[in-house]
Amino acid sequence: EVQLVESGGGLIQPGGSLRLSCAVSGFTVSSNYMSWVRQAPGKGLEWVSVIYTGGGTYYADSVKGRFTISRDSSKNTLYLQMTSLRGEDTAVYYCARALSSRIWGQGTLVTVSS
Amino acid sequence: DIQMTQSPSSLSASVGDRVTITCQASQDISKYLNWYEQKPGKAPKLLIYDASNLETGVPSRFSGSGSGTDFTFTISSLQPEDIATYYCQQYDNAPYTFGQGTKLEIK
Repeated sequence: EVQLVESGGGLIQPGGSLRLSCAVSGFTVSSNYMSWVRQAPGKGLEWVSVIYTGGGTYYADSVKGRFTISRDSSKNTLYLQMTSLRGEDTAVYYCARALSSRIWGQGTLVTVSS
Repeated sequence: DIQMTQSPSSLSASVGDRVTITCQASQDISKYLNWYEQKPGKAPKLLIYDASNLETGVPSRFSGSGSGTDFTFTISSLQPEDIATYYCQQYDNAPYTFGQGTKLEIK
């Protein structure tokens, strides 16, 4: 079964770090473009980052220099390392397969608050 | 970065109505546009890709058109289960920006 399962969210203080994971089943993470998309409470969708099949990456300006997307082929898992977290990073974070994303995870909530 | 301007931001319509949402890109994105449906507490669901291609399993009352900078999403006959927020997204160039969303309600 093709599935994405995010984990790693939680409550974190401003300035802190957190690593999100997206466990992939049913396909190979390194053979697909993989993205992170977030949604702040009551707000719209915001694209965050992509990792291409060749390993290249791209980030939204709002997270550039603070977030790092990566993947582990041996674990078939996508990651989002988040540092210097701010209140405006509070959101549900989704991982998604490809650019026209038919497959999404269920989302993991990150709350940045003191 | 490419800006996506989606309108209206909210829409109230009756069951059976034809509903149209527009999305305008700040530069030419060819056909590289998705339309998603999102219901509260759920992940987005892909409805249309490449501006006009209906995703497998999506009812035929949904359609998309356009190319370049101007795009349209249509529900030909609104059903109660279509109550959701709809988003366009360009994937011509990163960052792959979303429109602001259109919240659709039943009148």
